[in-house]
Amino acid sequence: VIWMTQSPSLLSASTGDRVTISCRMSQGISSYLAWYQQKPGKAPELLIYAASTLQSGVPSRFSGSGSGTDFTLTISCLQSEDFATYYCQQYYSFPRTFGQGTKVEIK
Amino acid sequence: QVQLQESGPGLVKPSQTLSLTCTVSGGSISSGSYYWSWIRQPAGKGLEWIGRIYTSGSTNYNPSLKSRVTISVDTSKNQFSLKLSSVTAADTAVYYCAREDIVVVPAGRHEAFDIWGQGTMVTVSS
Repeated sequence: VIWMTQSPSLLSASTGDRVTISCRMSQGISSYLAWYQQKPGKAPELLIYAASTLQSGVPSRFSGSGSGTDFTLTISCLQSEDFATYYCQQYYSFPRTFGQGTKVEIK
Repeated sequence: QVQLQESGPGLVKPSQTLSLTCTVSGGSISSGSYYWSWIRQPAGKGLEWIGRIYTSGSTNYNPSLKSRVTISVDTSKNQFSLKLSSVTAADTAVYYCAREDIVVVPAGRHEAFDIWGQGTMVTVSS
């Protein structure tokens, strides 16, 4: 099983801030990583796959980077609709696993 | 536009079998290169992948649940289903069905959950 450590667990930020979320793997996964956004009471939504490829329709302020064991999700200019919980997920091997989540809250 | 909708009992007694169905609308479950997956989320917690099925019937399960899980597909009804046996309170969660899209590029084969159902809450309690 590949374990994933997301940090921070909670991030307090203001509209307009640049925020970065980290996801570290227990072993290398090349670029087989996705990022999701989840708002309260809603299903997750795919933001990024292949570590850095933006899903169709996702705003360009979202970007992903990394390869191997260390990955980053960056929101370049936080908007009000971006306050949510973010999850990384690996699809390098079975079982598919998710990070524990990073909640981005209003400072 | 493809949409997914979960359905099934919201309350299951301990030791019984949880059964959920995901109906695919707006497209055929057999078209394209997709896996059809189940994922769950206990209240206030993270996401746990349960397993997936391809329309050929090929399945992959989470080893932590494998002995209790069966995922099946009914292409004639455009549905796929989850059965989880011998449930306990630990199985109480929101259950999501999701489509896992397969994108093949020179650098590799990428599979991510691009469409999700709205989720259905299942409580295990007597």
